[in-house]
Amino acid sequence: AQSVTQLDSHVSVSEGTPVLLRCNYSSSYSPSLFWYVQHPNKGLQLLLKYTSAATLVKGINGFEAEFKKSETSFHLTKPSAHMSDAAEYFCVVNRNYGQNFVFGPGTRLSVLP
Amino acid sequence: GAGVSQSPSNKVTEKGKDVELRCDPISGHTALYWYRQSLGQGLEFLIYFQGNSAPDKSGLPSDRFSAERTGGSVSTLTIQRTQQEDSAVYLCASSPGTRENQPQHFGDGTRLSIL
Repeated sequence: AQSVTQLDSHVSVSEGTPVLLRCNYSSSYSPSLFWYVQHPNKGLQLLLKYTSAATLVKGINGFEAEFKKSETSFHLTKPSAHMSDAAEYFCVVNRNYGQNFVFGPGTRLSVLP
Repeated sequence: GAGVSQSPSNKVTEKGKDVELRCDPISGHTALYWYRQSLGQGLEFLIYFQGNSAPDKSGLPSDRFSAERTGGSVSTLTIQRTQQEDSAVYLCASSPGTRENQPQHFGDGTRLSIL
């Protein structure tokens, strides 16, 4: 079975400081991994995806994530937070031999002025 | 191009009534998913359609929930005899297929409130 853990339910940073949102997964196979962002009253928007081509993945809005197989992690980072980054972030794993995406519980990011 | 469209955006109804939620996926996407998101919670998988295959209904919480997808395009999620615990945001997503590296594209959801 595959699962996703997001270690922090809430992260608060000041504007202009780095962002780190943590994600760990368990998988019997080499997974595909995704990060999505959800702003209030909106659906989920894809930030970036890992599909085994490169371990460091760059996404939209300055976000990036690094796949570390030895640590079974896929943490999301951004060098400098903007107020508009305040939202809910979901780490997702796709089961290679199934049909469903497995979502983490989400991390709420607050950005303080 | 057009994204995933869901209607209505908001629905308020009385307990015991039936409701229908609609999802119009991105043209050409063969895979379609329904999720439920309760207040402050993550996503709960409900049902998955892929092409003409039988849907994966393993996430439906009770027999009051059903969904269909006509002509491989538009999908309708129906909740019969609604209960207060059905209040949530219902999200629909589509993707080009089932390969593991194809991400989902989400609609903005239908916010369902049961009085």
